[in-house]
Amino acid sequence: EAQVTQNPRYLITVTGKKLTVTCSQNMNHEYMSWYRQDPGLGLRQIYYSMNVEVTDKGDVPEGYKVSRKEKRNFPLILESPSPNQTSLYFCASRHGQRAYNEQFFGPGTRLTVL
Amino acid sequence: DAKTTQPNSMESNEEEPVHLPCNHSTISGTDYIHWYRQLPSQGPEYVIHGLTSNVNNRMASLAIAEDRKSSTLILHRATLRDAAVYYCIPAVSTGANSKLTFGKGITLSVRP
Repeated sequence: EAQVTQNPRYLITVTGKKLTVTCSQNMNHEYMSWYRQDPGLGLRQIYYSMNVEVTDKGDVPEGYKVSRKEKRNFPLILESPSPNQTSLYFCASRHGQRAYNEQFFGPGTRLTVL
Repeated sequence: DAKTTQPNSMESNEEEPVHLPCNHSTISGTDYIHWYRQLPSQGPEYVIHGLTSNVNNRMASLAIAEDRKSSTLILHRATLRDAAVYYCIPAVSTGANSKLTFGKGITLSVRP
């Protein structure tokens, strides 16, 4: 089954404790991205990757890092989480660069930073 | 990026058709119009997309105005499972980061 998986689905952590949210897709997609969703603000793009070893900032990249060492994986790293990063996070992937291709989203990771 | 305007919410009865409108008057000639939906506690899900012609798939139909300044997503027979937030998104077809920009969407409620 074609899918995007994320782990963990739920995470409660404390300020400053480094964490990684993993994202994996099994569709051989080139493009992957991370979004966060907050009430009243909708989904905002954090980082994106056009292909292996090619990553760039989205609209709200501060406090986040990403890497793309393999085509299928695109982890999101919070080196020193803060309470304002409490949010619902979604990973997404699609074939190619063009936005007219269907984008597949993961089930989400709900992060709480105390 | 093109701006979209959608009603905040709509209600429908189960098994009746639903027409979800979207205005995108600033859309460029090469931007595709995408619709995604987000069911409660899930990630967004692709519904349909089109450029100029009306489009049909197993989930819905998309009617695009001739001037492309508006479009309507049509669910032919709403079910309770269709209760979700529906996003109309002009998808920029050029540029290095052809991203989807989500607005607030329409919250669709379906009455049994």
